[in-house]
Amino acid sequence: GQQVMQIPQYQHVQEGEDFTTYCNSSTTLSNIQWYKQRPGGHPVFLIQLVKSGEVKKQKRLTFQFGEAKKNSSLHITATQTTDVGTYFCAAGAGGTSYGKLTFGQGTILTVHP
Amino acid sequence: DTEVTQTPKHLVMGMTNKKSLKCEQHMGHRAMYWYKQKAKKPPELMFVYSYEKLSINESVPSRFSPECPNSSLLNLHLHALQPEDSALYLCASSQGRIGGPTDEKLLFGSGTQLSVL
Repeated sequence: GQQVMQIPQYQHVQEGEDFTTYCNSSTTLSNIQWYKQRPGGHPVFLIQLVKSGEVKKQKRLTFQFGEAKKNSSLHITATQTTDVGTYFCAAGAGGTSYGKLTFGQGTILTVHP
Repeated sequence: DTEVTQTPKHLVMGMTNKKSLKCEQHMGHRAMYWYKQKAKKPPELMFVYSYEKLSINESVPSRFSPECPNSSLLNLHLHALQPEDSALYLCASSQGRIGGPTDEKLLFGSGTQLSVL
């Protein structure tokens, strides 16, 4: 089945530092979604990227979808303690695999005040 | 109402028990999902219902039995579970489309933390 590699597994930053997590696939993706899960919480949808080379911003968060639609990144500028949590990418393969989102392993972000 | 509601929030059961997890949404979403999540791991897809019909079963053991009584409700019946089935069980919904599930954004419930003794 489809696999999505997400790195790093853990990231510890000081408040105010930047943070980036990456997702890579060996196959072309129809779309990629990003979710955030706070400690003790449930995944919350952040964004979906569909187009090759797409870049979307949400305040301090910047999401990119690679030109070949095989990789994606989430960058947070000037982290805050409220950014703590696990960030998952979730890849859609489309076609007959519609509905079968494949989640990356997640990046656990810790922000030290 | 823009939430997916799951009950119970916590459940402890023995290996011989029968229990059910419930999920409800009133957003008119026509696709509903069950995911299983172990600590520090990503959610794993178990089942997808599209327009109240089971459209995806990810080779889940028969001790897990899903049911979609109507467009707002999704149940997961549990019977003869094993300790390794202890996990957070997440329900999710998405808008859905007539042709089947799509890669739409998922709205997750807060989950049921299940412990099997």
